[in-house]
Amino acid sequence: AQSVTQPDIHITVSEGASLELRCNYSYGATPYLFWYVQSPGQGLQLLLKYFSGDTLVQGIKGFEAEFKRSQSSFNLRKPSVHWSDAAEYFCAVGASAGNMLTFGGGTRLMVKP
Amino acid sequence: GAVVSQHPSRVICKSGTSVKIECRSLDFQATTMFWYRQFPKQSLMLMATSNEGSKATYEQGVEKDKFLINHASLTLSTLTVTSAHPEDSSFYICSASPGQPTEAFFGQGTRLTVV
Repeated sequence: AQSVTQPDIHITVSEGASLELRCNYSYGATPYLFWYVQSPGQGLQLLLKYFSGDTLVQGIKGFEAEFKRSQSSFNLRKPSVHWSDAAEYFCAVGASAGNMLTFGGGTRLMVKP
Repeated sequence: GAVVSQHPSRVICKSGTSVKIECRSLDFQATTMFWYRQFPKQSLMLMATSNEGSKATYEQGVEKDKFLINHASLTLSTLTVTSAHPEDSSFYICSASPGQPTEAFFGQGTRLTVV
């Protein structure tokens, strides 16, 4: 069975500061990894995904994530946070690209002015 | 890009009534669609997987007689919440898969409130 852990339930950063959101997964085979963002009352927006190849993936809105197989991690990073980045962030894992996803518990990001 | 339309976006219904939620893939054919549920301040949990022309596969703990899923065409899946109760109030979101090697695409979600 696959599982995802996002250790940080809440994170607060100052605007302009760097950000790293942690994600650890458990899956026996090659994982397909995703990061989504959800604003209050809204649906999901895909930030980036990792299927294979380069372990550092670039996404939208200036986000990037690095797949580290040895650590079973797929942490999300952004060098400079904007107030509009305040939202809920979900890491997810699937067995293949178009398969069902298992989501982590989410990390709520708050941005201080 | 791939677009998945979910309707309605919000619905309020009385306890004991049924509500139907539609999930449409607008510009691709989806052999498989997934239905998730998200309770307030919680994560998304898979409810069921539906394949076109087949019966849906439900996750453990999801009542198949309460949450009826129909995937009658390659572009439409519906979720009907039967005899809804306040505890069914939640955010329901679908995703549609065009098949490998592409990821499934999510609809906008439906906020169901049962009063």
